[in-house]
Amino acid sequence: NAGVTQTPKFRILKIGQSMTLQCTQDMNHNYMYWYRQDPGMGLKLIYYSVGAGITDKGEVPNGYNVSRSTTEDFPLRLELAAPSQTSVYFCASSYPGGQGAGNEQFFGPGTRLTVL
Amino acid sequence: QKEVEQNSGPLSVPEGAIASLNCTYSDRVSQSFFWYRQYSGKSPELIMSIYSNGDKEDGRFTAQLNKASQYVSLLIRDSQPSDSATYLCAVNLYYGGSQGNLIFGKGTKLSVKP
Repeated sequence: NAGVTQTPKFRILKIGQSMTLQCTQDMNHNYMYWYRQDPGMGLKLIYYSVGAGITDKGEVPNGYNVSRSTTEDFPLRLELAAPSQTSVYFCASSYPGGQGAGNEQFFGPGTRLTVL
Repeated sequence: QKEVEQNSGPLSVPEGAIASLNCTYSDRVSQSFFWYRQYSGKSPELIMSIYSNGDKEDGRFTAQLNKASQYVSLLIRDSQPSDSATYLCAVNLYYGGSQGNLIFGKGTKLSVKP
């Protein structure tokens, strides 16, 4: 199993450009997540999905969009990139756990994005 | 506002010592607790999960949970230089019928000196 994979590893965007960050998992996990991590600020949840066709906003969704057409893939779209979106982006997935257990999330290697 | 607090460190311990990492959380609904290790420039890696009060041991790692005090800790025995990393505490809130989401602390940077 490859686990959670992300592409690209690095990207430099100009202000106003758009791009899609790709995320794929081969663990048949229902739940998938997108986080951003800024230096010294911890992980912030952007969007999450509990299954194909179902997505919801996290803590910091502005400037981003997602879709989930398959269990395996959960791409993150940046429209009109801004310097404030310079960050490291992590995709994660987990299986449903229910009360008292679960939501052990497994992370991809990340995409380091710079907007200039 | 649901919060997870960690001392940012750096926490410096000599090789072979016990490293103690602490985490407090604000929401009493929290049900599941996790410790992640993150090496510089890498992604978080799950190392421990704990769901009930008490201690849970896995090799050199022991997680301790006290829900009454809203406190979770991670002990690393016989610390090695390879343990030098940032350790993230994460708390999951579960509301019946929904898995909930993880809330992460900002992490504690651990440095193990040879």
